[in-house]
Formats: sequence, C-alpha cells, structure tokens
Amino acid sequence: GAVVSQHPSRVICKSGTSVKIECRSLDFQATTMFWYRQFPKKSLMLMATSNEGSKATYEQGVEKDKFLINHASLTLSTLTVTSAHPEDSSFYICSARSRWRTGETQYFGPGTRLLVL
Amino acid sequence: QKEVEQNSGPLSVPEGAIASLNCTYSDRGSQSFFWYRQYSGKSPELIMSIYSNGDKEDGRFTAQLNKASQYVSLLIRDSQPSDSATYLCATAREKSSGDKLTFGTGTRLAVRP
Repeated sequence: GAVVSQHPSRVICKSGTSVKIECRSLDFQATTMFWYRQFPKKSLMLMATSNEGSKATYEQGVEKDKFLINHASLTLSTLTVTSAHPEDSSFYICSARSRWRTGETQYFGPGTRLLVL
Repeated sequence: QKEVEQNSGPLSVPEGAIASLNCTYSDRGSQSFFWYRQYSGKSPELIMSIYSNGDKEDGRFTAQLNKASQYVSLLIRDSQPSDSATYLCATAREKSSGDKLTFGTGTRLAVRP
C-alpha cells in the first residue's frame, strides 16, 4: 500500500517559536495533500488542502499567515506553525492523494504531536 | 449543528459479540461514506467505504448506508480485543475519499476479553 511519512513525529517547543512539519509520499506522487488537526478526544478537522505548485486552500477559521503550507514537489508538503502558542498544541496529521489513481483513497501519515510550552 | 454525528461512547461489548456503530450526517450532497479506525496516538486507518444504499461486507465488517435517512452504520462481527479503538465516520462530496473528508468525533469501542 501507499506510504506517507511525517517528520518529526513529536516536537516540543517554546511559545513564540516556529515549527515545521514535513509530509512525504514515499512511493507515489501526490498532487494533493491535506492537513488535519486533532485535539484530544476530538475529531480530525481539515485545516487546508495543498496542491502541488499552487497556493493552499484554507478552511474557514484557519489563519493562513499562522499556518504556512508549501507543496513544492509531488512528494513533499510542509506545514509551518509560526509563532506557536500553547493553544496550537495538537496532533497534526497529513494525508496524500495519489496522482495517477482515479477514485483512490487518501493515505494518512502517522501524525505529528506538537506541544507548545 | 454538527455535520457528522456519532455517539462518543464508550461502547463496551464482550469478545465474540457484534459491535454496532452508528453515524448520521447532515450534508445531503455527500456521495461517499467511510469508516476509519484510530488507535490512541495513531493516525486513522481506512477499514470500509460505501457509496450506495444497502449493505457492504468485508470480512468481519459490514457497512450499511441509508441516504434517505442520512444514516451510516458499521457492524463488527466476532469482536476481538484488538478491535478496541475509536471508529471515525467520514463523508465526502466526491465519489472517492480523495476528496476532503468531514469526520465525526468518533465512537470509542472497548471489547472485553
């Protein structure tokens, strides 16, 4: 099956710093990647849709200047949480949609747990 | 009003029993319906997808869809302790889960040995 990786798997940072999370599709090309956030005991909430070579589409209520998304290649998308604050502490999960498979599912990465002190 | 609603549980069943998980959705434009399993601290794993009214069986899992009632369910037969997880119901407006997904809050299932 298709493999999606995320790095780092866990990060602790101080309030005010920026954190970059990478999402890679390892064995397929992904024209579209999605970024989700999940708070404890809550559902996954879609933050943005990232398309290779174009600007990301953010969901309502998600600050694009705070959550910077770059999808520079068909196998890599990055999410940067700028000036992180404790309320940004969450589980961030990416998923990738295969380019060549119509009607295919999206494949989820293992997630990145962010703790902002 | 939440777009996808699930009972948070926990739903506790004995090993070998049938676990029944339910989900309702509000968006009548939804075309695709999915059940994901999520273990604590892990990302979701797709276990079933269903696109048409009726039942769809895959091993111990059966998904049921009733678009008129905007209702999706998942039955797990012969439940095992390893099935203990949170089950997320998700919908999409396209005929695949390649579209952006709307998730419910999940139902926590506990299978007692």
